[in-house]
Amino acid sequence: EVQLVESGGGLVQPGRSLRLSCTASGFTFGDYAMSWVRQAPGKGLEWVGFIRSKAYGGTTEYAASVKGRFTISRDDSKSIAYLQMNSLKTEDTAVYYCTRASAGGYFDYWGQGTLVTVSS
Amino acid sequence: EIVLTQSPGTLSLSPGERATLSCRTSQRISSSYFAWYQQKPGQAPRLLIYGASNRATDIPVRFSGSGSGTDFTLTISRLEPEDFAVYYCQQYGSSSLTFGGGTKVEIK
Repeated sequence: EVQLVESGGGLVQPGRSLRLSCTASGFTFGDYAMSWVRQAPGKGLEWVGFIRSKAYGGTTEYAASVKGRFTISRDDSKSIAYLQMNSLKTEDTAVYYCTRASAGGYFDYWGQGTLVTVSS
Repeated sequence: EIVLTQSPGTLSLSPGERATLSCRTSQRISSSYFAWYQQKPGQAPRLLIYGASNRATDIPVRFSGSGSGTDFTLTISRLEPEDFAVYYCQQYGSSSLTFGGGTKVEIK
């Protein structure tokens, strides 16, 4: 059974940093791209970014709203994907979902999400 | 950035009725990179349709997707009580992804 479990969310002040983790199980983690999607309270879904598998260079892509502030990385030996969030803004407040991304660019498995609240 | 516009914003229907949800993209996209998701309150989204018309694993046959180019449709043939939720479309292209704003299907 595929499982994705996010951790690391919480309350953080504007301008500070936070790192989220996504621990995967039930599939060969290194074979898949991994992505982060967020959802602000009461709002729709917003793609944050993704990291390709090593077979495709392990490169990353980001939404314009987070580019230069957020970094996605992966540790295939531990089956963990990370989202490093720097220079956080109040508008980054959201539930952050870890997802498994298919070659077709869709997300076939989602974690339960972790809430990040950016507030002073 | 490709913008996805979903309509209507809210759809009020009764169980057993047919639901037709629309998603229009601001540029032509490949059907291979288009998907639909369902989200219920307090839950993560669930993949329904990928490649515009392929049902994901364990998705009931009452859900179907169609469309190409800039116009895509999700149809629920007969609404079951568990289908009342918010539905999102999504596209992938040019190393960027976008979601539509969502359509809420509510009980009339």
